[in-house]
Amino acid sequence: NAGVTQTPKFQVLKTGQSMTLQCAQDMNHNSMYWYRQDPGMGLRLIYYSASEGTTDKGEVPNGYNVSRLNKREFSLRLESAAPSQTSVYFCASSRAGEADTQYFGPGTRLTVL
Amino acid sequence: AQSVTQPDIHITVSEGASLELRCNYSYGATPYLFWYVQSPGQGLQLLLKYFSGDTLVQGIKGFEAEFKRSQSSFNLRKPSVHWSDAAEYFCAVGSNDYKLSFGAGTTVTVRA
Repeated sequence: NAGVTQTPKFQVLKTGQSMTLQCAQDMNHNSMYWYRQDPGMGLRLIYYSASEGTTDKGEVPNGYNVSRLNKREFSLRLESAAPSQTSVYFCASSRAGEADTQYFGPGTRLTVL
Repeated sequence: AQSVTQPDIHITVSEGASLELRCNYSYGATPYLFWYVQSPGQGLQLLLKYFSGDTLVQGIKGFEAEFKRSQSSFNLRKPSVHWSDAAEYFCAVGSNDYKLSFGAGTTVTVRA
């Protein structure tokens, strides 16, 4: 039982390049989330998916897109990376909504030059 | 919209001493409250949570937290810290719309 897995662990991009961060969970959870973590700012929600087939914007969605591929997988795409998107990205999942306990992946450290 | 304030950016405590981390929240209804811990280079792990009922909540690793509605606070405590408690701690408040709002975090350093 791996919990929440994320790939890659590290990535360096040049400004304007695109990439997709992958996330998968094996806990049969309904809801999945993408956060970014920046020093002194805690975690901020980018997008979330309350259930398979739905996605919604969080606090900081600009410059990102998401896809809930199936119940297990939730990907985050940067279409044209910018230095302001340098951050650590965390995926999380929860059994249901209503602020149920969220379980976090190990994170992806992204640097945009 | 909900929000969380963690007033202390960094706390240093001696091993064996007690620890208290402060958390104040803003939310119109009864909140769901969480404390998470993040060790360096790791993801977040849930320490404890409050949904309703007893306002003193016990968590893992010997931590506890007390919900005080009148003070809009949910402070985390541990009677005796261990060197392995050195980490960053996040308080979060949730609502019925699936979202969590996190505080900026408190970094705990444990000195021998």
